[in-house]
Amino acid sequence: EAGVAQSPRYKIIEKRQSVAFWCNPISGHATLYWYQQILGQGPKLLIQFQNNGVVDDSQLPKDRFSAERLKGVDSTLKIQPAKLEDSAVYLCASSLSFGGANTGELFFGEGSRLTVL
Amino acid sequence: SQELEQSPQSLIVQEGKNLTINCTSSKTLYGLYWYKQKYGEGLIFLMMLQKGGEEKSHEKITAKLDEKKQQSSLHITASQPSHAGIYLCGADILNAGNNRKLIWGLGTSLAVNP
Repeated sequence: EAGVAQSPRYKIIEKRQSVAFWCNPISGHATLYWYQQILGQGPKLLIQFQNNGVVDDSQLPKDRFSAERLKGVDSTLKIQPAKLEDSAVYLCASSLSFGGANTGELFFGEGSRLTVL
Repeated sequence: SQELEQSPQSLIVQEGKNLTINCTSSKTLYGLYWYKQKYGEGLIFLMMLQKGGEEKSHEKITAKLDEKKQQSSLHITASQPSHAGIYLCGADILNAGNNRKLIWGLGTSLAVNP
């Protein structure tokens, strides 16, 4: 079974530039998550999708971050304009579902490491 | 303070020794996940616990859930260098809006000296 695919693996940009990350979840997984992980910290949820609807985006800095999951499959996360403090690993994860009787394992991609100079 | 506390923050053990990592939630737990992460890589699923008193084992790693204490412990028996990495616990809780939410601890960094 193919895992969660993310690209690019690494990205270096200057502040005020924009960047986009792509995630293709495991086939059939309804729930997709984008996390930000800063060095030395646990993952912080940015946005959670159930199919193509947003379940939780309370911690997404909406003035600069946006995410979409058109057609309920793959997803993109965009940062525009980037700030120095956005340097982090952006992890995408998917699961069959979350929050109900069928809540199960989250499968994580390898992450996209962003460095903002 | 963190809603999910992990301890210790870091741990260095000699190969062959046993160790325990704890994860305590300030909210009612609906489920508790344990993942392992190596630097520069994604999170690898270890175990998920959902019922009070539940205990699961995988190779030399055992995790238990104490529902009353809202706490889980991860125990590694006879540690090996391959066990080195960052162990993260994630908790399935109810947030302030009564919605289910997954929160994460800060992680425990484990080093195993040969």
